[in-house]
Amino acid sequence: GAGVSQSPSNKVTEKGKDVELRCDPISGHTALYWYRQSLGQGLEFLIYFQGNSAPDKSGLPSDRFSAERTGGSVSTLTIQRTQQEDSAVYLCASSRLPVGSGANVLTFGAGSRLTVL
Amino acid sequence: GNSVTQMEGPVTLSEEAFLTINCTYTATGYPSLFWYVQYPGEGLQLLLKATKADDKGSNKGFEATYRKETTSFHLEKGSVQVSDSAVYFCAQKVSGGSYIPTFGRGTSLIVHP
Repeated sequence: GAGVSQSPSNKVTEKGKDVELRCDPISGHTALYWYRQSLGQGLEFLIYFQGNSAPDKSGLPSDRFSAERTGGSVSTLTIQRTQQEDSAVYLCASSRLPVGSGANVLTFGAGSRLTVL
Repeated sequence: GNSVTQMEGPVTLSEEAFLTINCTYTATGYPSLFWYVQYPGEGLQLLLKATKADDKGSNKGFEATYRKETTSFHLEKGSVQVSDSAVYFCAQKVSGGSYIPTFGRGTSLIVHP
C-alpha cells in the first residue's frame, strides 16, 4: 500500500479482555517495528521483525504481549488480559531494509489508541 | 547504553519566532541521527537526518547539525509558522548491531498566530 495502515484507530476495552491490533506495512518493506507511545513517555520499543528471521522481542513489557507477522507482511500485536497501564497509542512502522547506516528510515502508521477501562 | 534526551515541552512560540529544540544523545557506537515530526492525528514522519559528524540535515526550513564533540543534534528554524505545531522526536541509530532506533520523549511545539 501507499502507507502503513493500522487498525483499529481507536479501541476501548475493559480490564481483563484481550485485544488485537493490526498493522499492514508498506509493500516490499522487510522490516517491521512496534512501538508504544504513552503520555509523557516517548516511544517505547516493543518488537522488531526482519524478513524471515526470529523477531527481536526484547522490548515486550510482559508475557501478556505477543506479536506475529504472517507471510512477511501483516503483523498483529496481541495483548492478553489487558490492564489499565496498557492504555497508550501503539505505533507500527516499516522500513525497506533494517535501519543500518542511516540510508533507510522508518515510515509510521497513524497508530492505534488503546484505552483500558 | 544508547539513549536520546530532549528538552521538555511544550514549547510555545508566536508565529515568525526562532525555534530551538535541544537534543543530546549517548551511544556505544557511531550513530546516525534523525528528527521525526508527528502532526496531530498522524503518524511520525521523517523530518531530517544526518549520518556523520558535522553533517547538516535540513528540510522545510528546519535544520540540525550533527555535533560529535557535544553529542548534540539540536533542531532549529528561523521563523516558525502555525502549521509547524506538532510533536518533534529526536532519534538515533547506531551502525551495526541492533537495528532498533532509539527515540527521545518528544517535544510538543505550539505556535500561536
